[in-house]
Amino acid sequence: DAGVTQSPTHLIKTRGQQVTLRCSPKSGHDTVSWYQQALGQGPQFIFQYYEEEERQRGNFPDRFSGHQFPNYSSELNVNALLLGDSALYLCASSLDRLAADEQYFGPGTRLTVT
Amino acid sequence: GENVEQHPSTLSVQEGDSAVIKCTYSDSASNYFPWYKQELGKRPQLIIDIRSNVGEKKDQRIAVTLNKTAKHFSLHITETQPEDSAVYFCATTSDGYYGQNFVFGPGTRLSVLP
Repeated sequence: DAGVTQSPTHLIKTRGQQVTLRCSPKSGHDTVSWYQQALGQGPQFIFQYYEEEERQRGNFPDRFSGHQFPNYSSELNVNALLLGDSALYLCASSLDRLAADEQYFGPGTRLTVT
Repeated sequence: GENVEQHPSTLSVQEGDSAVIKCTYSDSASNYFPWYKQELGKRPQLIIDIRSNVGEKKDQRIAVTLNKTAKHFSLHITETQPEDSAVYFCATTSDGYYGQNFVFGPGTRLSVLP
């Protein structure tokens, strides 16, 4: 039973560029959430996808966008990269229920913007 | 929106002693309270969670208590071991038809000294 996977592991980009990060949820899960974790801080919620739609969104600008595919995998896109976008990007999957439930995190993608 | 505070930011204890980490939240609608452990360079892992209809939950050396009236919940680790050294994050969210937005605390760095 595969857990949550993310790719790539590390990424270095230049200011102004665009980046796409990928996530495959745990087997059986249908909901994917994305988080940004700056060094020494807690994860910050970016958005959550379910049934290929953005269902919840945190306080992030429109430069951050996403997509969910029919197989429940997801992408996070960041346009016009800023130095402050350097962080660990975590994907978490869960099973959609009306009641909040456990999230399983992926290993993350370390993004460095120079 | 929800605001989660976590104290202390760092905690050092002797092996075998107990450790307590406290979180306060602001949104009275929050009803799910997970705790995550994150070791250096690794993904956050759920160690225990509690729902608002329960006041206390235990799992071996780990326990969580919840006071909904005061809007705070605490993580208790007894008989600490060096492998308990990590950063611990509390989080909150609420049930909802439109998904969940998890809000994390800033983290507590626990060091267990042998």
